[in-house]
Amino acid sequence: DQQVKQNSPSLSVQEGRISILNCDYTNSMFDYFLWYKKYPAEGPTFLISISSIKDKNEDGRFTVFLNKSAKHLSLHIVPSQPGDSAVYFCAASRGDKIIFGKGTRLHILP
Amino acid sequence: GAVVSQHPSWVICKSGTSVKIECRSLDFQATTMFWYRQFPKQSLMLMATSNEGSKATYEQGVEKDKFLINHASLTLSTLTVTSAHPEDSSFYICSARDGSSGGALRTDTQYFGPGTRLTVL
Repeated sequence: DQQVKQNSPSLSVQEGRISILNCDYTNSMFDYFLWYKKYPAEGPTFLISISSIKDKNEDGRFTVFLNKSAKHLSLHIVPSQPGDSAVYFCAASRGDKIIFGKGTRLHILP
Repeated sequence: GAVVSQHPSWVICKSGTSVKIECRSLDFQATTMFWYRQFPKQSLMLMATSNEGSKATYEQGVEKDKFLINHASLTLSTLTVTSAHPEDSSFYICSARDGSSGGALRTDTQYFGPGTRLTVL
């Protein structure tokens, strides 16, 4: 039973354009949501997070939007840069436990 | 800040041997550490949560006698895979959280180590 779903295994975006990564969750008890970036053979790197009481959080080129009624969140990266090519994991937490999605591989095209 | 290291970064061992993986928080005190396992093209699966000085809490389906976790200090946790078998081959990742009040880091964010690739022959 997947509580956090990333339905797009991969996404290709032109450099300079906006990358939008989507994530859905099923458990309404989650109170915190996070996005992590991961390169091959490395641990995930924290990118940005959002509390369930907010609907938007922005940090530089990264913005996370949360739609609680739809149980949906998205990560926007603008403008996309070559270094953004990586696997992005959506995660949701309640207390100590974090549940990860399967990840979306983002390819930034030159 | 928030650097977490793991050692070794990769290890190859024979079936039946035990392997110890270390996870260290280098610039903060990790009140809680987590151990994950990632299979190819799969998500990170939480194996266990450990708080300093207490026994680890294992997720359902994770054998605590096979995956021994020790969190003896606020900067070090170890995972020992005992009597390793080929099916234990995986990418093991630890994370650490500074849950202490007054710390410089976010108390609700886990910081991940670089991972350890275990191959059991």
